[in-house]
Amino acid sequence: AQSVSQHNHHVILSEAASLELGCNYSYGGTVNLFWYVQYPGQHLQLLLKYFSGDPLVKGIKGFEAEFIKSKFSFNLRKPSVQWSDTAEYFCAVSPSNTGKLIFGQGTTLQVKP
Amino acid sequence: NAGVMQNPRHLVRRRGQEARLRCSPMKGHSHVYWYRQLPEEGLKFMVYLQKENIIDESGMPKERFSAEFPKEGPSILRIQQVVRGDSAAYFCASSPPSRENYEQYFGPGTRLTVT
Repeated sequence: AQSVSQHNHHVILSEAASLELGCNYSYGGTVNLFWYVQYPGQHLQLLLKYFSGDPLVKGIKGFEAEFIKSKFSFNLRKPSVQWSDTAEYFCAVSPSNTGKLIFGQGTTLQVKP
Repeated sequence: NAGVMQNPRHLVRRRGQEARLRCSPMKGHSHVYWYRQLPEEGLKFMVYLQKENIIDESGMPKERFSAEFPKEGPSILRIQQVVRGDSAAYFCASSPPSRENYEQYFGPGTRLTVT
């Protein structure tokens, strides 16, 4: 069955620390890849997406992610986190031409000021 | 341009009652998706609809749940005879009609509590 696995459930960092959140998926075909963020009290917002082309994609607020096809991974990175990055982060995969998103369990990021 | 609208934001139902959740997609969007988030879990796909058509309902429970997206008006997720296990946050998302772009925009969700 298709699935998405996020390695970390809860991450605590100090401001200015670097962030990397792992995401692996199981699906043999072509996929579109996404990272969504949910700030406290707000709805899900798209951070970045990968459909094709350059496997290193840049999103909003200084986030980036790298698609490594051989590893079925799409890890999220940010060189220096801020307190305002405190949120829940979801990796999602959409098998090509299906429309639906398959989400990971989510990672709660807490940034200490 | 208003985002995806969902109402109500909070809904309390007793066991056995019906719950109706509404979703108005973004202007110009003709694809609607419903997801459910159970406590301590990620979002799970339920159903994918276009106007007057159900495209994929592989994530819908076999009984009590139904969804529609009529030609006019919002998409409706209907849960009949609710049980405690239906308590969850239900999110709606919409996307433009282009098959090249499956970026989905999410609504604020409806939090259903079954007492």
